[in-house]
Amino acid sequence: GENVGLHLPTLSVQEGDNSIINCAYSNSASDYFIWYKQESGKGPQFIIDIRSNMDKRQGQRVTVLLNKTVKHLSLQIAATQPGDSAVYFCAENEGQGGKLIFGQGTELSVKP
Amino acid sequence: DTAVSQTPKYLVTQMGNDKSIKCEQNLGHDTMYWYKQDSKKFLKIMFSYNNKELIINETVPNRFSPKSPDKAHLNLHINSLELGDSAVYFCASSRPENTEAFFGQGTRLTVV
Repeated sequence: GENVGLHLPTLSVQEGDNSIINCAYSNSASDYFIWYKQESGKGPQFIIDIRSNMDKRQGQRVTVLLNKTVKHLSLQIAATQPGDSAVYFCAENEGQGGKLIFGQGTELSVKP
Repeated sequence: DTAVSQTPKYLVTQMGNDKSIKCEQNLGHDTMYWYKQDSKKFLKIMFSYNNKELIINETVPNRFSPKSPDKAHLNLHINSLELGDSAVYFCASSRPENTEAFFGQGTRLTVV
């Protein structure tokens, strides 16, 4: 089913703090997960991805954690900056022709 | 050097009209998509094409007809526009199906 959801629709953090955005997915057969960032008036922009044979992947200031047991995905942003303010989406790929199922989205606001 | 470009960026039209949105990608990807984002920012796939062949048609009304003249282009034609069609439409492309999708900037369609 299409139930990739986010626990918090909005998140407000202080500049320099770490941010954690959570996501729950429903299809245990999904084997590929992506986090996207969407700024106002723009299309979703790839941040980081992870495949189901991994439980952690790190990028520049971002880390994605995957817990397949509870079907949970999280995005951690270190030292959050004002430029990180955006809506963040998790998406799962069920392997059907590249179809991505998106979560609800979390709006991250960074206070200076 | 826009990777995925779609035109127009804004489209305002009256109910009952027919309109088209064009999409082109210069990434050499085989798979292209159309997604719809509603007013609550929920993103949902509409169509997926692989090398000009329709792979996914996500129960979209047949007023929506995608056309792929070649694998770098995927246009979306909408007949008899309705108020409920108002949304932001995103074109995207990816390499093999199970990799990240690159999104265009979106077309904001407003039906009045």
